[in-house]
Amino acid sequence: AAGVIQSPRHLIKEKRETATLKCYPIPRHDTVYWYQQGPGQDPQFLISFYEKMQSDKGSIPDRFSAQQFSDYHSELNMSSLELGDSALYFCASSLSVSFNLGNEQFFGPGTRLTVL
Amino acid sequence: GENVEQHPSTLSVQEGDSAVIKCTYSDSASNYFPWYKQELGKGPQLIIDIRSNVGEKKDQRIAVTLNKTAKHFSLHITETQPEDSAVYFCAASMGGGGADGLTFGKGTHLIIQP
Repeated sequence: AAGVIQSPRHLIKEKRETATLKCYPIPRHDTVYWYQQGPGQDPQFLISFYEKMQSDKGSIPDRFSAQQFSDYHSELNMSSLELGDSALYFCASSLSVSFNLGNEQFFGPGTRLTVL
Repeated sequence: GENVEQHPSTLSVQEGDSAVIKCTYSDSASNYFPWYKQELGKGPQLIIDIRSNVGEKKDQRIAVTLNKTAKHFSLHITETQPEDSAVYFCAASMGGGGADGLTFGKGTHLIIQP
């Protein structure tokens, strides 16, 4: 079965640079979520989108922004990168019809961002 | 906001034995509780979930129980196998009609001893 696709899988940036991470949800999934996972830590929710609109917001820094496009893919834009932004960034997708039953979120393989 | 506590942080069991991981949550409005398995270098994999209108759910060797009054839920794995070794995360969300983010516990490193 098709899964969530994330690109790139690995990214190395310098401090103060910008980065763009991309997420392609499971086919027919219309909702995407972004999470950040530091080494040895649990995933932290950043932001979610449904029908191209921001739906829920977590601990996303002001330096980060995200959007969802008409084909439901999403991009996470990160500016003025700091050493502490080094982490795994996961995208998850779900179907909006399952909202009232709880959202079954399916995670992608992640993008490993290293800031030097 | 929601706070999820997970215990133990590390659990070592003999192959074939059972493993139990426990979580508590703070927000009584939470009504969706998934469990994820994460192997090294991979994304979290949804293995089972439970909603607040159900007390127990089972899928082959895996079961989850929920006590809404006490605000705790548990993962039970029976007949453990070496491939069960991984980090397991519990999570909670409102599930109230929007794309709610998940709040995760700190994770349990499950080690299956051969």
